[in-house]
Amino acid sequence: QLRLQESGPGLVKPSETLSLICTVSGASFSNPNYYWGWIRQPPGGGLEWVGTVSYSGDSYDNPSLKSRVAMSMDTSKNQLSLNVNSVTAADTAVYFCARGVEKDDSRGSYLFFDSWGQGTQVTVSS
Amino acid sequence: DTQMTQSPSSLSASVGDTVTISCRTSQRISGYLNWYQQRPGKGPKLLIYATSNLQSGVPSRFSGSGSGTDFTLTISTLQPEDFATYYCQQSYDLPLTFGQGTRLEIK
Repeated sequence: QLRLQESGPGLVKPSETLSLICTVSGASFSNPNYYWGWIRQPPGGGLEWVGTVSYSGDSYDNPSLKSRVAMSMDTSKNQLSLNVNSVTAADTAVYFCARGVEKDDSRGSYLFFDSWGQGTQVTVSS
Repeated sequence: DTQMTQSPSSLSASVGDTVTISCRTSQRISGYLNWYQQRPGKGPKLLIYATSNLQSGVPSRFSGSGSGTDFTLTISTLQPEDFATYYCQQSYDLPLTFGQGTRLEIK
């Protein structure tokens, strides 16, 4: 059974780098039909896509984060990592990792997140 | 960016009711629309993908429809476990975007 578990420091100082790990069990990172993504949720707010990375190395992140995002995959450990630099209070959120699946039919190629972790709270404060 | 507008923002209903949640997009997105359910303190759960495809294991009382810029999630015969927050999400273009959420509460 697929399981995703986020981990990392719960408190980060302003202007520093937020670093999170997502450990995946029950699925192969090397499946080309999967993408691995990060989504965040500020306190009392909605969901915001942070970025997505594929096994092939394709990486996409949300322009709203102004190129502060770096993502990578460690296939030997089945881990996904997220770094967000120069954080401010606006980066305070619960961060989720999720598996993205691409399914094709006659109409197109559809991407959706079919499994999510429980999320980890990150607070940016001095 | 494709803007997503859900309505209503919150909704009160009773067990056994049928409810409809709307999601409107700022541009035509073909069928690239997904729906998620989120319970407090949990990660979202995929319900519907590509407008109307029921995710494996999701009860058939959940259904999705729509096209162009207007999409709908319908929940028939509400069960106690359905009271949660629901989000739509488009995968037509980047950045991926979500609606602001619809909170479904027990009346």
